This record gives sequence, structure tokens and C-alpha cells, in this order.
Amino acid sequence: GENVEQHPSTLSVQEGDSAVIKCTYSDSASNYFPWYKQELGKRPQLIIDIRSNVGEKKDQRIAVTLNKTAKHFSLHITETQPEDSAVYFCASPSNDMRFGAGTRLTVKP
Amino acid sequence: DSGVTQTPKHLITATGQRVTLRCSPRSGDLSVYWYQQSLDQGLQFLIQYYNGEERAKGNILERFSAQQFPDLHSELNLSSLELGDSALYFCASSPGPSGYNEQFFGPGTRLTVL
Repeated sequence: GENVEQHPSTLSVQEGDSAVIKCTYSDSASNYFPWYKQELGKRPQLIIDIRSNVGEKKDQRIAVTLNKTAKHFSLHITETQPEDSAVYFCASPSNDMRFGAGTRLTVKP
Repeated sequence: DSGVTQTPKHLITATGQRVTLRCSPRSGDLSVYWYQQSLDQGLQFLIQYYNGEERAKGNILERFSAQQFPDLHSELNLSSLELGDSALYFCASSPGPSGYNEQFFGPGTRLTVL
């Protein structure tokens, strides 16, 4: 099955700084790459996704970039705010659902 | 609110027992996914059903089983429970059979095995 590696496992930034989380995948046939945010005690929710026919997608302060050649995709959060503090998961659906191990982002005010 | 419901919210039971977790997908969604999330761990995919049929299998133990009923709700059965089965169990739903679309997660069932 698909393997998805996510780095870093924890990330601490100052409010206003940028945060970048990276995932690598193994299945070259993968063509959909979502990012989910899970706040403490809550359910995961999709925040942004990208399909393999584009290299970048932006939605206000968040963006996802995809490098199909290198088989990695990254989540970029600019102008971080305390409410961005959460665990972020990438996924690379293949024959089954594989999520990355998660990145705990802490934004310090 | 995602539109996905799960019952019960909390479940406390003893080792060796059997429990059933229930999930109702969003209206119109045909796929149901089950995930296990242990404390401070990631989302471990267990199994997916699409329109009543098993679609994909992940790291599901033989002691666990699931099914999807004609009304599309799904149940996850956990038997011969062990302490290590204590976790948050999420179900998620999506419209189609593949994982190439957004999944909508339910609020989860927190299982505690004593």
C-alpha cells in the first residue's frame, strides 16, 4: 500500500511567522492530496486539497504545493495566528486511505 | 457540524468484552470509512464500505469487523477487547467509492477499556 511520511512531527512558531509541513508519498499513481486540521478534542476537517493537474493552490493564508516528480507536497501557512494551533494531517489516498503521522503546530502569541 | 453522526460518544467497558459503534453518514454519501486514533497518535485507517460492500481494508484486527446496512449506516464491532483498544474511533463519509474526495468526519466515539 501507499506510504506517507510527514515532517516535522512538531512545529512551534511565533504568531505572524510562516509554517511549512511536508509530506512525501510513494505511489506515483496518486493524484489527490488533502490536508486535514484537527483541533484539540475535535474531529479532523479538510482545510485544503490539491489534485495532480496543478502545482499550487491557495486559499487565503494557506497554500498547498505539489511536486509530482519528487513525490512530495507541502502545506504552507502564512501570518500564523494562535487559532492555527492544531494537529495537521496529510493524506495520500491510493488503494486505501493513508494519513501521515501528523504535525502538532503551536503558534505562540 | 459535518452531518455525520456517531453513537455513543463515550463507551467504557472491560477487557474481553464486545462493543458496537454506530455511524450514520451524511445524506447522499455512499462511502463510510472507519479510523482508530490512539492518544497522541495519527489516524489509522481500518476499513471502508461503499454502498453496502467492503471497498478497502487497512490495519483492521481480526477481532474487529464492520458492516454497512441498506440504509447506509455502518457499525464497527470490536470483540475480545484489550487495554490497547482504548482509543477514539472516527467514522467519515464521502459521496463516491474512491478516496479522491473530501471526507467528512463524525465527532468520534471514545472507547475506554478497563
